[in-house]
Amino acid sequence: ETGVTQTPRHLVMGMTNKKSLKCEQHLGHNAMYWYKQSAKKPLELMFVYNFKEQTENNSVPSRFSPECPNSSHLFLHLHTLQPEDSALYLCASSQDMARPYNEQFFGPGTRLTVL
Amino acid sequence: SQQGEEDPQALSIQEGENATMNCSYKTSINNLQWYRQNSGRGLVHLILIRSNEREKHSGRLRVTLDTSKKSSSLLITASRAADTASYFCASNAGGTSYGKLTFGQGTILTVHP
Repeated sequence: ETGVTQTPRHLVMGMTNKKSLKCEQHLGHNAMYWYKQSAKKPLELMFVYNFKEQTENNSVPSRFSPECPNSSHLFLHLHTLQPEDSALYLCASSQDMARPYNEQFFGPGTRLTVL
Repeated sequence: SQQGEEDPQALSIQEGENATMNCSYKTSINNLQWYRQNSGRGLVHLILIRSNEREKHSGRLRVTLDTSKKSSSLLITASRAADTASYFCASNAGGTSYGKLTFGQGTILTVHP
């Protein structure tokens, strides 16, 4: 276990549904990340939060909405998704953004299928 | 431009053999990291090498870094079936975003018992 948990592990939703992905880290870290992993593509950074402030939005469509209520929790709210949004969504955390030699700790991911 | 390209894309070896994976990146880096991912799971950090380091060891892992060629390699010695996984390099450009990693597409390693 890496100390980062994600729920649900699997999610199937229709294009008109609204759902949320949850990430929690028990490591005392201050930076949290959302990544998208699609088949045959590099891991794509979506959002970064540092001390609860969003520091990166990597041109992600507005149908993905992140929320970081505190340094331990990160959510990804989903609505009106497209089939091409089907992917493995990974959450990660690190100490914070100011340290140059941070490793990132990843959760197990949520496998999302959009019908 | 694409950062962190690995080769080979897939590697199949027998248990006990060594496995070498290579990674190239495009821009200057502060450090480069290697991660491992078992099928459909999260990534696990293996090793970090700083831009002023040329070689680093951790157990059966050996990482080299050549900043003049913007490339790195990961060597796994005496491989085991349990080493079967995907391996990714991730470059960290540093500056104002130390936490931002750019991942390559990965090498799928299969170790046959």
